[in-house]
Amino acid sequence: NAGVTQTPKFQVLKTGQSMTLQCAQDMNHNSMYWYRQDPGMGLRLIYYSASEGTTDKGEVPNGYNVSRLNKREFSLRLESAAPSQTSVYFCASSEVRDYEQYFGPGTRLTVT
Amino acid sequence: GDSVTQMEGPVTLSEEAFLTINCTYTATGYPSLFWYVQYPGEGLQLLLKATKADDKGSNKGFEATYRKETTSFHLEKGSVQVSDSAVYFCALRGGKLIFGQGTELSVKP
Repeated sequence: NAGVTQTPKFQVLKTGQSMTLQCAQDMNHNSMYWYRQDPGMGLRLIYYSASEGTTDKGEVPNGYNVSRLNKREFSLRLESAAPSQTSVYFCASSEVRDYEQYFGPGTRLTVT
Repeated sequence: GDSVTQMEGPVTLSEEAFLTINCTYTATGYPSLFWYVQYPGEGLQLLLKATKADDKGSNKGFEATYRKETTSFHLEKGSVQVSDSAVYFCALRGGKLIFGQGTELSVKP
């Protein structure tokens, strides 16, 4: 039982490049989330998926897109990376929306 | 709207000292309350929770009591260890899950 897994762990991009962050959970959870964590800003919700087939914007969705591929997988795409997107990205999942969330280990992204 | 306020860090303690990290909240209704912990280089882990007034959540020697009259959910531990060094997040779930800013704890031997 791996819980929530994220790939890659580290990534460096140049401004304007695109990439997709992958997230998978093996707990049969209905809801999944993407957060970013920046110094002094705490955790900010980017997008979430309350259930398979649905996605909704969170607090800071601009510059990102998401896909809930199936119940297990929820990906985050940066179409044209900007230095302001340098951050640590966490995926999380929960059985019930917004209740106990289980987090992945994070992806440390640097955009130069 | 709903909000969570935590004491600012960093908090530095010596091993075996008593720990309190303050957390107060603003919410309508009766939210559930949580403490999460983030060890260096890792994601957040749920540490404990309380779902109604006067509930006490506990785990790994940490405790927090849901105080509706003071809208607080302070985290306490009687004797901290170096391995408790981490960032601690208070969170509430009313209509959605809201995290505090986090409090960094550093425990010195």
